[in-house]
Amino acid sequence: EDKVVQSPLSLVVHEGDTVTLNCSYEVTNFRSLLWYKQEKKAPTFLFMLTSSGIEKKSGRLSSILDKKELFSILNITATQTGDSAIYLCAVAPGGNQFYFGTGTSLTVIP
Amino acid sequence: GAGVSQSPSNKVTEKGKDVELRCDPISGHTALYWYRQRLGQGLEFLIYFQGNSAPDKSGLPSDRFSAERTGESVSTLTIQRTQQEDSAVYLCASSRFVGRAGELFFGEGSRLTVL
Repeated sequence: EDKVVQSPLSLVVHEGDTVTLNCSYEVTNFRSLLWYKQEKKAPTFLFMLTSSGIEKKSGRLSSILDKKELFSILNITATQTGDSAIYLCAVAPGGNQFYFGTGTSLTVIP
Repeated sequence: GAGVSQSPSNKVTEKGKDVELRCDPISGHTALYWYRQRLGQGLEFLIYFQGNSAPDKSGLPSDRFSAERTGESVSTLTIQRTQQEDSAVYLCASSRFVGRAGELFFGEGSRLTVL
């Protein structure tokens, strides 16, 4: 059975801290892994990863994929209160399905 | 349109009533997905449409749930005889690429509360 597991489930940090969010997966086939940020209702797209070892970076956020060990990490450096959100990981296997993890709830305290 | 549009944004209904939720995808996006997100939970796949192909209904939790889509335009998700456990945010997403590694674009969701 295809599945996506995120850890930790929740995290509370202080502004300025660096956090690492984890996403491991088991899928029959693999096309891509996606990260989303969900602040209120609509998840917004952060990164799409298809190749191992190539870091994607956007400002203070970065992500990398390990297709051998079947996981990805999302790093956020110098966290700000605006980073508080649920971070969702999704894996797209062969076909048109997307499997989402339960998310990591990040709270950044001033 | 510029983004995925969903309506209503909030719906409060009584147990046993039927509800209809609407999703207007991004123009040109052939794929449309419905997800359910209960409070504190992840996204639960419900149904997927791609062009004029038969939809993938494998995620619908019961026969009280149904969805339609006309061509590559608006989709409606109908929940009949609503139950309290149907309370959730229903998210619609569309994607341009089918069978390729494309990303999903989400609407703001419809929050359903069944009293």
